[in-house]
Amino acid sequence: QVQLVESGGGVVQPGRSLRLSCETSGFTFSNYVMHWVRQAPGKGLEWVAVIWNDGSNIFYVDSVKGRFTISRDNSKNTLYLQMNSLRVEDTAVYYCARDPSRIGVRLFFDYWGQGNLVTVSS
Amino acid sequence: EIVMTQSPATLSVSPGERATLSCRASQSVSGYLAWYQQKPGQAPRLLIYDASTRATGIPARFSGSGSGTEFTLTISSLQSEDSAVYFCQQYNAWPPITFGQGTRLEIK
Repeated sequence: QVQLVESGGGVVQPGRSLRLSCETSGFTFSNYVMHWVRQAPGKGLEWVAVIWNDGSNIFYVDSVKGRFTISRDNSKNTLYLQMNSLRVEDTAVYYCARDPSRIGVRLFFDYWGQGNLVTVSS
Repeated sequence: EIVMTQSPATLSVSPGERATLSCRASQSVSGYLAWYQQKPGQAPRLLIYDASTRATGIPARFSGSGSGTEFTLTISSLQSEDSAVYFCQQYNAWPPITFGQGTRLEIK
């Protein structure tokens, strides 16, 4: 069965860095576009970034451009989110999510990880 | 950026009755709309995509309709396990992909 397991979250001071990982199994990772979506405590969902299956295309929400980097290692079936210059407003549960299409991109999310809390606080 | 607005914020419905949740887009998203269900402490679950197509394993009591700027998620014959927050999401004009703020569905 499809599984996505995030790790790497925790408490970090403003201005510091953190890297999230999303280990996947149960599907051919290299065939699928992948996303990061976040949810601030008690708030709604915010799409963060997307990476094409081969890494050829990457897009971000404006609020993280220049600070966050999405990447993937298809040999390890793992998605990453490098977060630099973290701000208090980046505090959220971060989910990795799979795009459902094996051909092209659909831009909605059929499988989600369990989420990983990142708290940015001094 | 397309702004998605959901109404009502909270809906309270009795078991066995029908719930109707609305989602409005600030500009047309054609039929590129998805609905998700999120229960406390859990990740969202895909219910509907392309406005009206049920995702794999989703019961037939969940249905979606609409196009352009007005969309509806209908849950017929409500069950206690349907208590959750429901989010709509557009994927027509991006980046960014955007979500509504959510509707909390309470079962009386």
